[in-house]
Amino acid sequence: DSGVTQTPKHLITATGQRVTLRCSPRSGDLSVYWYQQSLDQGLQFLIHYYNGEERAKGNILERFSAQQFPDLHSELNLSSLELGDSALYFCASSVARYTGELFFGEGSRLTVL
Amino acid sequence: GIQVEQSPPDLILQEGANSTLRCNFSDSVNNLQWFHQNPWGQLINLFYIPSGTKQNGRLSATTVATERYSLLYISSSQTTDSGVYFCAVQPSGGYNKLIFGAGTRLAVHP
Repeated sequence: DSGVTQTPKHLITATGQRVTLRCSPRSGDLSVYWYQQSLDQGLQFLIHYYNGEERAKGNILERFSAQQFPDLHSELNLSSLELGDSALYFCASSVARYTGELFFGEGSRLTVL
Repeated sequence: GIQVEQSPPDLILQEGANSTLRCNFSDSVNNLQWFHQNPWGQLINLFYIPSGTKQNGRLSATTVATERYSLLYISSSQTTDSGVYFCAVQPSGGYNKLIFGAGTRLAVHP
Protein backbone atom coordinates (compact mmCIF):
# COMPACT_ATOMS: atom_id res chain seq x y z
CA ASP A 1 0.00 0.00 0.00
CA SER A 2 1.57 3.25 -1.20
CA GLY A 3 -0.56 5.44 1.07
CA VAL A 4 -2.08 7.28 -1.92
CA THR A 5 -5.84 6.76 -2.14
CA GLN A 6 -7.83 7.10 -5.35
CA THR A 7 -11.58 6.87 -5.85
CA PRO A 8 -13.46 5.51 -7.63
CA LYS A 9 -11.47 2.44 -8.69
CA HIS A 10 -13.71 1.79 -11.67
CA LEU A 11 -16.05 4.06 -13.56
CA ILE A 12 -18.20 3.42 -16.62
CA THR A 13 -19.93 6.32 -18.30
CA ALA A 14 -21.21 7.52 -21.66
CA THR A 15 -19.77 9.90 -24.21
CA GLY A 16 -20.48 13.54 -23.47
CA GLN A 17 -20.65 13.01 -19.73
CA ARG A 18 -18.50 14.51 -16.97
CA VAL A 19 -16.71 12.66 -14.19
CA THR A 20 -14.59 13.57 -11.20
CA LEU A 21 -11.68 11.49 -9.95
CA ARG A 22 -10.42 12.00 -6.43
CA CYS A 23 -6.99 11.55 -4.90
CA SER A 24 -5.75 11.74 -1.33
CA PRO A 25 -1.96 11.97 -1.11
CA ARG A 26 0.25 10.26 1.44
CA SER A 27 0.24 11.92 4.83
CA GLY A 28 2.71 14.80 4.74
CA ASP A 29 3.06 14.94 0.96
CA LEU A 30 2.41 18.35 -0.54
CA SER A 31 2.79 17.46 -4.23
CA VAL A 32 0.12 15.70 -6.28
CA TYR A 33 0.55 14.53 -9.86
CA TRP A 34 -1.95 13.14 -12.33
CA TYR A 35 -1.04 10.67 -15.04
CA GLN A 36 -3.03 8.99 -17.78
CA GLN A 37 -2.23 5.49 -19.00
CA SER A 38 -3.80 4.46 -22.27
CA LEU A 39 -2.91 1.53 -24.49
CA ASP A 40 -1.57 3.66 -27.34
CA GLN A 41 0.05 6.51 -25.38
CA GLY A 42 1.63 4.81 -22.41
CA LEU A 43 1.95 6.73 -19.13
CA GLN A 44 1.53 10.44 -19.79
CA PHE A 45 1.99 13.26 -17.31
CA LEU A 46 -1.08 15.51 -17.05
CA ILE A 47 -0.58 18.03 -14.27
CA HIS A 48 1.30 18.75 -11.01
CA TYR A 49 0.09 20.63 -7.95
CA TYR A 50 2.17 21.66 -4.98
CA ASN A 51 0.48 22.87 -1.80
CA GLY A 52 -2.60 24.02 -3.68
CA GLU A 53 -0.84 25.70 -6.60
CA GLU A 54 -0.50 24.40 -10.13
CA ARG A 55 3.19 23.87 -10.85
CA ALA A 56 3.37 22.18 -14.23
CA LYS A 57 1.13 21.07 -17.06
CA GLY A 58 1.73 18.23 -19.42
CA ASN A 59 -0.46 16.72 -22.09
CA ILE A 60 -3.72 17.69 -20.46
CA LEU A 61 -6.69 18.39 -22.70
CA GLU A 62 -8.70 21.58 -22.31
CA ARG A 63 -11.72 19.41 -21.45
CA PHE A 64 -9.82 18.25 -18.36
CA SER A 65 -9.17 20.31 -15.27
CA ALA A 66 -7.79 19.70 -11.82
CA GLN A 67 -7.35 21.34 -8.49
CA GLN A 68 -5.76 20.72 -5.13
CA PHE A 69 -7.72 21.69 -2.07
CA PRO A 70 -6.48 23.15 1.26
CA ASP A 71 -6.56 19.69 2.83
CA LEU A 72 -4.21 18.64 -0.04
CA HIS A 73 -6.56 16.19 -1.69
CA SER A 74 -6.93 16.66 -5.43
CA GLU A 75 -9.64 16.18 -7.99
CA LEU A 76 -9.35 15.62 -11.73
CA ASN A 77 -12.43 16.66 -13.69
CA LEU A 78 -12.99 15.16 -17.13
CA SER A 79 -15.79 16.66 -19.22
CA SER A 80 -17.38 16.10 -22.62
CA LEU A 81 -15.99 12.62 -22.48
CA GLU A 82 -14.98 10.83 -25.67
CA LEU A 83 -14.29 7.16 -26.33
CA GLY A 84 -10.58 7.94 -26.46
CA ASP A 85 -10.61 9.16 -22.88
CA SER A 86 -10.98 5.58 -21.69
CA ALA A 87 -7.82 4.94 -19.70
CA LEU A 88 -6.32 4.28 -16.31
CA TYR A 89 -5.84 7.54 -14.43
CA PHE A 90 -3.17 7.58 -11.76
CA CYS A 91 -2.52 10.01 -8.98
CA ALA A 92 0.92 10.19 -7.39
CA SER A 93 2.28 12.16 -4.48
CA SER A 94 5.64 13.25 -3.16
CA VAL A 95 6.80 15.35 -0.28
CA ALA A 96 8.84 17.80 -2.35
CA ARG A 97 8.14 20.51 -4.87
CA TYR A 98 11.08 20.05 -7.23
CA THR A 99 12.35 16.55 -6.81
CA GLY A 100 11.92 13.38 -4.85
CA GLU A 101 10.38 9.95 -5.04
CA LEU A 102 6.83 9.66 -6.36
CA PHE A 103 4.33 7.16 -4.95
CA PHE A 104 1.35 6.11 -7.04
CA GLY A 105 -2.20 5.23 -6.10
CA GLU A 106 -3.98 2.19 -7.50
CA GLY A 107 -5.57 4.18 -10.27
CA SER A 108 -9.08 4.90 -11.48
CA ARG A 109 -10.09 2.90 -14.53
CA LEU A 110 -12.41 4.95 -16.72
CA THR A 111 -14.43 3.35 -19.48
CA VAL A 112 -16.36 5.61 -21.83
CA LEU A 113 -19.05 3.85 -23.88
CA GLY B 1 12.30 16.59 -24.68
CA ILE B 2 14.11 13.75 -23.01
CA GLN B 3 13.79 10.29 -24.51
CA VAL B 4 13.55 7.18 -22.34
CA GLU B 5 14.15 3.85 -24.04
CA GLN B 6 13.69 0.49 -22.38
CA SER B 7 14.90 -2.85 -23.60
CA PRO B 8 13.94 -5.50 -24.27
CA PRO B 9 10.28 -4.67 -24.93
CA ASP B 10 9.23 -8.22 -24.10
CA LEU B 11 10.87 -10.98 -22.08
CA ILE B 12 9.79 -14.53 -21.36
CA LEU B 13 11.53 -16.47 -18.62
CA GLN B 14 11.31 -19.80 -16.90
CA GLU B 15 10.93 -19.62 -13.15
CA GLY B 16 14.33 -19.43 -11.50
CA ALA B 17 16.06 -17.62 -14.36
CA ASN B 18 17.88 -14.30 -14.04
CA SER B 19 17.37 -11.24 -16.21
CA THR B 20 18.61 -7.73 -16.84
CA LEU B 21 16.38 -4.88 -17.98
CA ARG B 22 17.91 -1.72 -19.40
CA CYS B 23 16.83 1.91 -19.44
CA ASN B 24 18.63 4.50 -21.57
CA PHE B 25 17.87 8.19 -21.33
CA SER B 26 18.92 10.95 -23.66
CA ASP B 27 19.71 13.79 -21.24
CA SER B 28 20.81 14.40 -17.68
CA VAL B 29 18.33 13.58 -14.93
CA ASN B 30 17.71 14.48 -11.31
CA ASN B 31 15.82 11.33 -10.46
CA LEU B 32 15.21 7.87 -11.77
CA GLN B 33 12.67 5.37 -10.53
CA TRP B 34 11.85 1.78 -11.42
CA PHE B 35 8.28 0.54 -11.11
CA HIS B 36 6.55 -2.80 -11.48
CA GLN B 37 3.01 -2.71 -12.86
CA ASN B 38 1.33 -5.92 -11.81
CA PRO B 39 -1.44 -7.64 -13.78
CA TRP B 40 -4.04 -5.74 -11.74
CA GLY B 41 -2.60 -2.42 -12.93
CA GLN B 42 -0.97 -1.29 -9.70
CA LEU B 43 2.28 0.66 -10.04
CA ILE B 44 4.63 -0.53 -7.34
CA ASN B 45 7.79 1.37 -6.44
CA LEU B 46 10.88 -0.77 -6.82
CA PHE B 47 13.78 1.67 -6.64
CA TYR B 48 14.42 5.36 -6.36
CA ILE B 49 17.92 5.45 -7.80
CA PRO B 50 19.25 8.65 -9.42
CA SER B 51 22.75 7.16 -9.17
CA GLY B 52 24.61 4.22 -7.68
CA THR B 53 23.47 0.73 -6.82
CA LYS B 54 20.69 -0.53 -4.58
CA GLN B 55 19.46 -3.98 -3.69
CA ASN B 56 16.15 -5.22 -2.37
CA GLY B 57 15.89 -8.97 -2.01
CA ARG B 58 16.10 -10.62 -5.42
CA LEU B 59 16.05 -7.27 -7.19
CA SER B 60 18.86 -4.82 -7.61
CA ALA B 61 19.37 -1.70 -9.70
CA THR B 62 22.29 0.33 -10.92
CA THR B 63 22.21 3.81 -12.43
CA VAL B 64 25.23 5.30 -14.18
CA ALA B 65 24.03 8.86 -14.58
CA THR B 66 27.15 10.04 -16.44
CA GLU B 67 26.53 7.42 -19.14
CA ARG B 68 22.75 7.88 -19.06
CA TYR B 69 21.56 4.41 -18.35
CA SER B 70 20.10 2.28 -15.59
CA LEU B 71 19.86 -1.47 -15.18
CA LEU B 72 17.37 -3.56 -13.22
CA TYR B 73 18.45 -7.06 -12.27
CA ILE B 74 15.97 -9.76 -11.36
CA SER B 75 17.43 -12.94 -9.95
CA SER B 76 15.72 -16.29 -9.39
CA SER B 77 12.58 -15.01 -11.07
CA GLN B 78 9.15 -16.08 -9.80
CA THR B 79 5.77 -16.10 -11.49
CA THR B 80 4.77 -13.16 -9.30
CA ASP B 81 7.46 -11.09 -11.03
CA SER B 82 5.32 -11.07 -14.18
CA GLY B 83 4.02 -7.72 -15.34
CA VAL B 84 5.45 -4.60 -16.89
CA TYR B 85 8.57 -2.88 -15.60
CA PHE B 86 8.82 0.85 -16.13
CA CYS B 87 11.76 3.16 -15.87
CA ALA B 88 10.88 6.82 -15.27
CA VAL B 89 13.16 9.85 -15.11
CA GLN B 90 12.92 13.44 -14.01
CA PRO B 91 14.90 15.65 -16.41
CA SER B 92 17.44 18.00 -14.85
CA GLY B 93 16.34 21.61 -14.75
CA GLY B 94 12.80 20.69 -15.62
CA TYR B 95 9.58 20.41 -13.72
CA ASN B 96 9.28 17.76 -11.08
CA LYS B 97 7.52 15.24 -13.25
CA LEU B 98 8.49 11.75 -14.28
CA ILE B 99 8.86 10.81 -17.92
CA PHE B 100 8.14 7.12 -18.42
CA GLY B 101 9.65 4.68 -20.82
CA ALA B 102 7.44 2.30 -22.77
CA GLY B 103 8.20 -0.54 -20.36
CA THR B 104 9.47 -4.11 -20.52
CA ARG B 105 6.73 -6.73 -20.42
CA LEU B 106 7.93 -9.75 -18.44
CA ALA B 107 6.24 -13.14 -18.34
CA VAL B 108 7.63 -15.75 -15.95
CA HIS B 109 6.40 -19.29 -16.56
CA PRO B 110 6.49 -22.11 -13.99
